[in-house]
Amino acid sequence: AQSVAQPEDQVNVAEGNPLTVKCTYSVSGNPYLFWYVQYPNRGLQFLLKYITGDNLVKGSYGFEAEFNKSQTSFHLKKPSALVSDSALYFCAVRDGAGNMLTFGGGTRLMVKP
Amino acid sequence: EAGVAQSPRYKIIEKRQSVAFWCNPISGHATLYWYQQILGQGPKLLIQFQNNGVVDDSQLPKDRFSAERLKGVDSTLKIQPAKLEDSAVYLCASSRDRGNEKLFFGSGTQLSVL
Repeated sequence: AQSVAQPEDQVNVAEGNPLTVKCTYSVSGNPYLFWYVQYPNRGLQFLLKYITGDNLVKGSYGFEAEFNKSQTSFHLKKPSALVSDSALYFCAVRDGAGNMLTFGGGTRLMVKP
Repeated sequence: EAGVAQSPRYKIIEKRQSVAFWCNPISGHATLYWYQQILGQGPKLLIQFQNNGVVDDSQLPKDRFSAERLKGVDSTLKIQPAKLEDSAVYLCASSRDRGNEKLFFGSGTQLSVL
């Protein structure tokens, strides 16, 4: 069965500093990997995805993620954090197009001025 | 384009009562998903529809949960009877088709079972 682990419940970072939100996964076959963001009282919004190709993928709002096959990781990154980036971030994986999308438990990002 | 619509926004019921949630996906989206998000956890897929057919309901507690998408457009998720552990946010999402990776989520229905 596929699974996603987000080892940090919360990440704190100062505005302007780089941020990293960690994600590791387990799946049979080639992974389809995603990051979604959830703002208070709103639904999840798609940030970025990795299907194949370049290991560094760029997404919305200046976020990017690095796929590392040997470490089975897909960490979310941003060079310079904004207070408005404060939200709940979810990593997700599926083992093929159209198959079940499995989410991690989420990481709360707090960016302080 | 209009987003995924869900109603009601909040619902409070007593255990053993029944409840229903409604979802209207983005126009033209063939695939519809219902997720359960318990506080402090990530969303868990309950059921996935492709048009009006069920693709995956392996994690749906079928003794009390049911869902339908009769005309391949909007969908209803029902719980009967509800248990305390059903307290969660129920999220509906849609995508253009099964192979499309991007899901669009509604704001969810927050259910409290007392």
